[in-house]
Amino acid sequence: DIQMTQSPSTLSASAGDRVTITCRASQSISRWLAWYQQKPGKVPKLLIYEASSSEGGVPSRFSGSGSGTEFTLTISSLQPDDTATYYCQHYNSFPLAFGGGTKVEIK
Amino acid sequence: EVQVVESGGGLVQPGRSLLLTCRTSGFTFRDHAISWVRQAPGKGLEWVGLSRSRIYGGVNEYAASVRGRFTISRDDSESTAWLQMNSLKTEDTAMYYCSRGLTVTGAKYWFDSWGQGTLVTVSS
Repeated sequence: DIQMTQSPSTLSASAGDRVTITCRASQSISRWLAWYQQKPGKVPKLLIYEASSSEGGVPSRFSGSGSGTEFTLTISSLQPDDTATYYCQHYNSFPLAFGGGTKVEIK
Repeated sequence: EVQVVESGGGLVQPGRSLLLTCRTSGFTFRDHAISWVRQAPGKGLEWVGLSRSRIYGGVNEYAASVRGRFTISRDDSESTAWLQMNSLKTEDTAMYYCSRGLTVTGAKYWFDSWGQGTLVTVSS
């Protein structure tokens, strides 16, 4: 089974900062990776699929990159509304798996 | 507008069963996979299982933690899916989300529309 590891687990940054979250797969998953945002008390929301393709309606400050085993989600200019936990998910093969999550807070 | 609504959660004793329902609208249900994802209180997301559309054989996949205990079924005419949960354990306590699966190959799935979830509590 493929394991997904996210880092950091918690991140605190100021509004306007560039923020990067890393997701590592235990083996190559090509570009079969999605990113989700879950705000407190809310439902997960798809941000990125196939490593770098943005879901419709997602602000352009969110971008994804990577392939193989290492991937990043970047928020180019952090906004207060971005306070949330972010999860990566591989879909290279079954069983599917999510990373442990990265909680992003505003200083 | 795509809508996904789960129901059927509640308090159940260990070893008992529970049936969750996922009702959908706003898209062609028969053309899409349906997946269940759960989230224990204060924890991260855990994939539970997936039902492929008939286009891709209608085969189901399950996480090891639920295989043999949980079963996903679907009725394309009703745009509805179910998660039958048997032999429930305390560690199955979680919010259960139903989601629409997208694919381009029938083998790779990500999830774009999620319901609000239904809470399952397994406790004596």
